Amino acid sequence: AAGVIQSPRHLIKEKRETATLKCYPIPRHDTVYWYQQGPGQDPQFLISFYEKMQSDKGSIPDRFSAQQFSDYHSELNMSSLELGDSALYFCASSLTGINTEAFFGQGTRLTVV
Amino acid sequence: AQSVTQLDSQVPVFEEAPVELRCNYSSSVSVYLFWYVQYPNQGLQLLLKYLSGSTLVKGINGFEAEFNKSQTSFHLRKPSVHISDTAEYFCAVGSTASKLTFGTGTRLQVTL
Repeated sequence: AAGVIQSPRHLIKEKRETATLKCYPIPRHDTVYWYQQGPGQDPQFLISFYEKMQSDKGSIPDRFSAQQFSDYHSELNMSSLELGDSALYFCASSLTGINTEAFFGQGTRLTVV
Repeated sequence: AQSVTQLDSQVPVFEEAPVELRCNYSSSVSVYLFWYVQYPNQGLQLLLKYLSGSTLVKGINGFEAEFNKSQTSFHLRKPSVHISDTAEYFCAVGSTASKLTFGTGTRLQVTL
């Protein structure tokens, strides 16, 4: 079965650079979630999109932005990168409904040097 | 708002011994509860979930958990662990089944 695809799997950037992470949800899933997991930390919710509109916002820095496109894939744009942005970034997708669960991708490991 | 408490940051256990990983949650509304496992340098894999119905939930790899509403707990259990169960385990809660709040994780270390 198709799963959530994230690219790239690994990314190394220098401080003050920008990074773009991509997420391709499971086919027919209309909702995408982004989570950030710092080293030794639990995943923290960043932002979510439903039908290409932002549906919820968590602890996402102002330097970050995200959007969901017409094909439902999503991109997380990160600017002015800081060392503290080094983390594993997860994308999850779900089909809107009462009892629908989110399925997680393998994550993108971002290292800022 | 919801929160999850995983009291044990690390749980060492011998192979073939039983294990229980504790999870307590707080929420002002009905919740959905999940356990995820994360192997080193890997993503999050769903072990099991409670959405509704029977409070005893069976998951993959021989794990099970019981939802206890009165004690606001969702402890994870396995009667006999294997070396390959060594991983980080996250309990998560959500008022929907998809936007989740995670606990800080419990490192299960299985040794011979």
